[in-house]
Amino acid sequence: GAVVSQHPSRVICKSGTSVKIECRSLDFQATTMFWYRQFPKQSLMLMATSNEGSKATYEQGVEKDKFLINHASLTLSTLTVTSAHPEDSSFYICSASGQFDGYTFGSGTRLTVV
Amino acid sequence: AQSVTQLDSQVPVFEEAPVELRCNYSSSVSVYLFWYVQYPNQGLQLLLKYLSGSTLVKGINGFEAEFNKSQTSFHLRKPSVHISDTAEYFCAVRPTGAGNMLTFGGGTRLMVKP
Repeated sequence: GAVVSQHPSRVICKSGTSVKIECRSLDFQATTMFWYRQFPKQSLMLMATSNEGSKATYEQGVEKDKFLINHASLTLSTLTVTSAHPEDSSFYICSASGQFDGYTFGSGTRLTVV
Repeated sequence: AQSVTQLDSQVPVFEEAPVELRCNYSSSVSVYLFWYVQYPNQGLQLLLKYLSGSTLVKGINGFEAEFNKSQTSFHLRKPSVHISDTAEYFCAVRPTGAGNMLTFGGGTRLMVKP
């Protein structure tokens, strides 16, 4: 079945630094990738949608300059949290769509900003 | 636009008892329906999906769901739960057609007690 690899699974960074999260589709071409943020005991909040080779579409309220998304190839999308602050601490999950009927999720990244 | 309501935020149940997790949706267009399971600090795993055909859908781990168009519901059921079923469950919908994003419900935490 379709597999999406997300790295790192956990990261701790200092306030003010940037962190990059990678999402790779291992056995299919992901034409569209989605990035979600999940707060404790809450549902997934869509942050942005990225299509290969074009700029990401951000949801309302998501700062595009803070959360940089790159989808340069059909198998890789990255989310960079720039100048991270403690309030950016969260669980980030990517999802890839390359198939007609569903989406495959990465295993998530727990970001802690200290 | 679509919306998904999971009526129960938490469902406690004893091991080997049956369980039903409720999901209702609202949409002005035809949708596909999904149930996902999330274990702690992990991404989402697809349990089952309804695209078309039989309204009773069987998924992994002994779960099944029934699509009821008139009641706009897609409740998830399992006849006998195990401790290992303790997790967060998300109902989601998306419009039919490729590339459209998923809309998630708020999630239901299933807590299986010995």
